Amino acid sequence: DTAVSQTPKYLVTQMGNDKSIKCEQNLGHDTMYWYKQDSKKFLKIMFSYNNKELIINETVPNRFSPKSPDKAHLNLHINSLELGDSAVYFCASSLWAGGADTGELFFGEGSRLTVL
Amino acid sequence: AQKITQTQPGMFVQEKEAVTLDCTYDTSDPSYGLFWYKQPSSGEMIFLIYQGSYDQQNATEGRYSLNFQKARKSANLVISASQLGDSAMYFCAMSSTNTNAGKSTFGDGTTLTVKP
Repeated sequence: DTAVSQTPKYLVTQMGNDKSIKCEQNLGHDTMYWYKQDSKKFLKIMFSYNNKELIINETVPNRFSPKSPDKAHLNLHINSLELGDSAVYFCASSLWAGGADTGELFFGEGSRLTVL
Repeated sequence: AQKITQTQPGMFVQEKEAVTLDCTYDTSDPSYGLFWYKQPSSGEMIFLIYQGSYDQQNATEGRYSLNFQKARKSANLVISASQLGDSAMYFCAMSSTNTNAGKSTFGDGTTLTVKP
């Protein structure tokens, strides 16, 4: 039973296309995230949702649109893909405890996006 | 704003020896959490250890311990009795327990290579 699962694991597509990555967690966590890891392995937060509500939206191009249909799911849709979008995208979740996030992140396996 | 600095891009250690991976942080938040994550070559992110800013004792988890020096704003990871399977990239991270809870800031990572 995978705690945080994301699909697809690999995605190869042409510039200009639109693609989505799905994420689901079965840990009962309230908070979910999207992180981007670039080719130099730098990890940066993109979005965070707490119980379906967007709470963090870093400076990410508006071609990236997250959607959380319920607190167990957080999807990422990317429009008009560019070469620079090539990266590994990690979904993660954490427990929200009384207004203070305990912080420990449970990561999915990552989705490697390659834009040609 | 939070900042994590890992000054060692790469480290080598002999099998069965101990190694310290450095991490310094900067934050104006009075309450925060510090974390270490491991990323093997397979790509997944694995939580290792957590230290709360108000914890009096250094955190330990098996062969991992966190050398927390609050005044110096450092949170070094010590791995004892290194094993070949410890070869991986290691990330130090922090999150704040304030209203912007849920945002973990990561360092650039240290690649550890364990030599047989």
